[in-house]
Amino acid sequence: GAVVSQHPSRVICKSGTSVKIECRSLDFQATTMFWYRQFPKQSLMLMATSNEGSKATYEQGVEKDKFLINHASLTLSTLTVTSAHPEDSSFYICSARDRLARNEQFFGPGTRLTVL
Amino acid sequence: GQQLNQSPQSMFIQEGEDVSMNCTSSSIFNTWLWYKQDPGEGPVLLIALYKAGELTSNGRLTAQFGITRKDSFLNISASIPSDVGIYFCAGQLAPQAGTALIFGKGTTLSVSS
Repeated sequence: GAVVSQHPSRVICKSGTSVKIECRSLDFQATTMFWYRQFPKQSLMLMATSNEGSKATYEQGVEKDKFLINHASLTLSTLTVTSAHPEDSSFYICSARDRLARNEQFFGPGTRLTVL
Repeated sequence: GQQLNQSPQSMFIQEGEDVSMNCTSSSIFNTWLWYKQDPGEGPVLLIALYKAGELTSNGRLTAQFGITRKDSFLNISASIPSDVGIYFCAGQLAPQAGTALIFGKGTTLSVSS
């Protein structure tokens, strides 16, 4: 099946710093990627939809100036958590839509962010 | 945001038993998907359903897309210890195929040998 990678797999940072997370589709082109956040023992909550070459669409309640998304190519989307705070600590997961595979979405392995 | 109603929330079963979980929604869905998530990892697609009434199997897993397009179930037969994990249903609202998925809250499965 299609493979999606995320980097880094885990990151620990100090409060106030910015963290960039990369999401790559390794063997297919993804015009659309999605960013989710998952808190412990909870489901995945969509943060934003990232479209290649255009601005991301953010879900209600998600600050676009805090969670910067860039989808610069058909295989790469990045999420930057700016001025991170402890409450931003979470598991961030991306997914990529393979339009050649009936629009199925394939998920990355996730990035564990811990803000001290 | 909108979520699907997934039940049960958790299940504790013996190895070899069959398992059933389901998802319902007040909205009509275009696609139903079932995922499994192991701790610290991303969800892995198990079964995808695209037509109302569709019944699809993947090994010991069977899932169906409800006729009303508002529900789906997943069955696991003869469970084994590696079935342990969290199972999520996910759907795409009709008619916007290819849009973001809406997830259920998950069913945590524990299997004792």
